[in-house]
Amino acid sequence: ETGVTQSPTHLIKTRGQQVTLRCSSQSGHNTVSWYQQALGQGPQFIFQYYREEENGRGNFPPRFSGLQFPNYSSELNVNALELDDSALYLCASSPYREVGDTQYFGPGTRLTVL
Amino acid sequence: QKEVEQDPGPLSVPEGAIVSLNCTYSNSAFQYFMWYRQYSRKGPELLMYTYSSGNKEDGRFTAQVDKSSKYISLFIRDSQPSDSATYLCAMTDSWGKLQFGAGTQVVVTP
Repeated sequence: ETGVTQSPTHLIKTRGQQVTLRCSSQSGHNTVSWYQQALGQGPQFIFQYYREEENGRGNFPPRFSGLQFPNYSSELNVNALELDDSALYLCASSPYREVGDTQYFGPGTRLTVL
Repeated sequence: QKEVEQDPGPLSVPEGAIVSLNCTYSNSAFQYFMWYRQYSRKGPELLMYTYSSGNKEDGRFTAQVDKSSKYISLFIRDSQPSDSATYLCAMTDSWGKLQFGAGTQVVVTP
């Protein structure tokens, strides 16, 4: 186990709704990254937070937003859900802010948009 | 063209065989190379991490990097049914953003 937890495990929403996914990093890990993994694909980088500030973003629209809190927890918020947002959402934490730093993944939240 | 290409499989091998997995990439700036294992409905688990060209061995796993050919490999010796999973290659040139392949599904049959 990596010590990274995510909630909820599964979630079903309808198109147009908003969703908040949560992640709890390992204690002492200042960096959290969020990834979207569509069925049969590798994870795609959404964004990363370091000490509560966004630091790097992938090719995702602004309706994907996040927050990081001082207690090593973080949130991914998605507004105006679309059918293509159905995926496994993974968070990953790492202890340092270094190039190539090892990232430890949580089990993911599976989001289904109907 | 994707930055990282990986054959999705499935790759089916008998127990005890060597599993050979590979990825090619196009971005010569990639410096750090990883292999993750992902069981169904679980998050990716880090298996191997390499920085330079050459081989790195850890138990039954060997990771190989050839930067001149932009090619990385993972070999699993004495494969077991418990090795059945999806194997993802990942790489990065900068802080934080991992670029993943699509993953190869491996099935080890008893």
